[in-house]
Amino acid sequence: GAGVSQSPRYKVAKRGQDVALRCDPISGHVSLFWYQQALGQGPEFLTYFQNEAQLDKSGLPSDRFFAERPEGSVSTLKIQRTQQEDSAVYLCASRPGVHTDTQYFGPGTRLTVL
Amino acid sequence: SQQGEEDPQALSIQEGENATMNCSYKTSINNLQWYRQNSGRGLVHLILIRSNEREKHSGRLRVTLDTSKKSSSLLITASRAADTASYFCATMIQGAQKLVFGQGTRLTINP
Repeated sequence: GAGVSQSPRYKVAKRGQDVALRCDPISGHVSLFWYQQALGQGPEFLTYFQNEAQLDKSGLPSDRFFAERPEGSVSTLKIQRTQQEDSAVYLCASRPGVHTDTQYFGPGTRLTVL
Repeated sequence: SQQGEEDPQALSIQEGENATMNCSYKTSINNLQWYRQNSGRGLVHLILIRSNEREKHSGRLRVTLDTSKKSSSLLITASRAADTASYFCATMIQGAQKLVFGQGTRLTINP
């Protein structure tokens, strides 16, 4: 079946613009995660959803970052007033349930802020 | 901040040789996982080892875990050019759902 998909794959924004990144998890997967990966680094956790509930947003770097998953499937990560340090690859991952440990990652969205 | 430290940061070997990567972490974990990332692609799950396990095999992969030393190693035997990628260890900390990744090892297999 289809894996996790993300769109757009590439996004270039001018500093100060708002961006919205979309994640389509594997159908039926309960858990959804967002990670940020800077160049040459490992991914860093941003936020976690179980169905539509955002249970952990401890990794969001500032109040400019906002994520939602209103119907418990598709999720959107929004970054307001983008800054150059927001440039990174944003990875989405999903997993079937709370008691399964393997996460399935999408290809990521590469955001470049000029 | 990332929990894991991976060693080496980069590794270059000849095709057919074995590759060993090491990972250290700081806090108590439920499990440790290894992921592969090809250039410009997402992460692919390779293998998971639970905190009560010491060694696990999957095909050409062998993972060990030493919870007393808070360290793990990934061995890839009989390497192939297609194994060229970055490899990340990731820990699931007790009481949390998120994965905490190391900085990765960039592996290059020379034909």
